[in-house]
Amino acid sequence: AQKITQTQPGMFVQEKEAVTLDCTYDTSDQSYGLFWYKQPSSGEMIFLIYQGSYDEQNATEGRYSLNFQKARKSANLVISASQLGDSAMYFCAMREAYSSASKIIFGSGTRLSIRP
Amino acid sequence: GAVVSQHPSRVICKSGTSVKIECRSLDFQATTMFWYRQFPKQSLMLMATSNEGSKATYEQGVEKDKFLINHASLTLSTLTVTSAHPEDSSFYICSAKTGGDSYEQYFGPGTRLTVT
Repeated sequence: AQKITQTQPGMFVQEKEAVTLDCTYDTSDQSYGLFWYKQPSSGEMIFLIYQGSYDEQNATEGRYSLNFQKARKSANLVISASQLGDSAMYFCAMREAYSSASKIIFGSGTRLSIRP
Repeated sequence: GAVVSQHPSRVICKSGTSVKIECRSLDFQATTMFWYRQFPKQSLMLMATSNEGSKATYEQGVEKDKFLINHASLTLSTLTVTSAHPEDSSFYICSAKTGGDSYEQYFGPGTRLTVT
C-alpha cells in the first residue's frame, strides 16, 4: 500500500532563508508521481511542483525545487529565499501513474511559518 | 489554468438535514472527480472517486449511503451529506482531472460544513 510520511509537523524559518520540507514515501510500484501542494489559511490547495518517478532530473518551478532521491524514497521540497507569503501548510502527495482512478494520497503536512 | 469551483463555500445546517455541495469544472471536461474531507489541522482524506456516468467508488470506511455522490455531467459532481450530524462538520474539497494519463488534478476552493 502507498504511504506518504512528513515528519515535520511545524517549522519556523527566517525570511529570505532557504527551507527544506521532508517527505518520504513507500510504494511497490515502479511508476508513480510525487506532488507538493501549498494550503494557505484560506483552504485552497495550490499545486507547487511535480516529479515523475522516471524523471531523471529534479523538478524545479521558480523558487521551488524537489530533491528526488529515488533509492531513499524521498522527495523533499526546497524553497529558496523564503517570503512571508510562504507561510502555510505544505502537503506532499503521491499518485500511482497507472492507476485507473489516479488517486492522490496526501501526507500529514508541515506547517511552515516565516519570521520577518 | 483550469478552474474548479465549489458551491457553497460555507454552509451551516441543522442536525438531521441534508446538504448538497457542488463541484464544477469551469473550463475543461472532467472525466474524473475526487472528493476529500479535511478535519482541522489534519491532512486531506480521500472519500470517493467519481467518474462521469458511473457510480462513485468509495474509500474504505466511507458510508456511501451517508455521502451520496453524483457525477451527472463532465463538468459537475455533487456530494450530498444526508442526515447530517455534528461529527460531519468538516472542510470538503473536490478535485477534477481530465481523461488520459495526465497527472494534473485541479482542486476546488473547498466547502466548510458546520452542522449544529
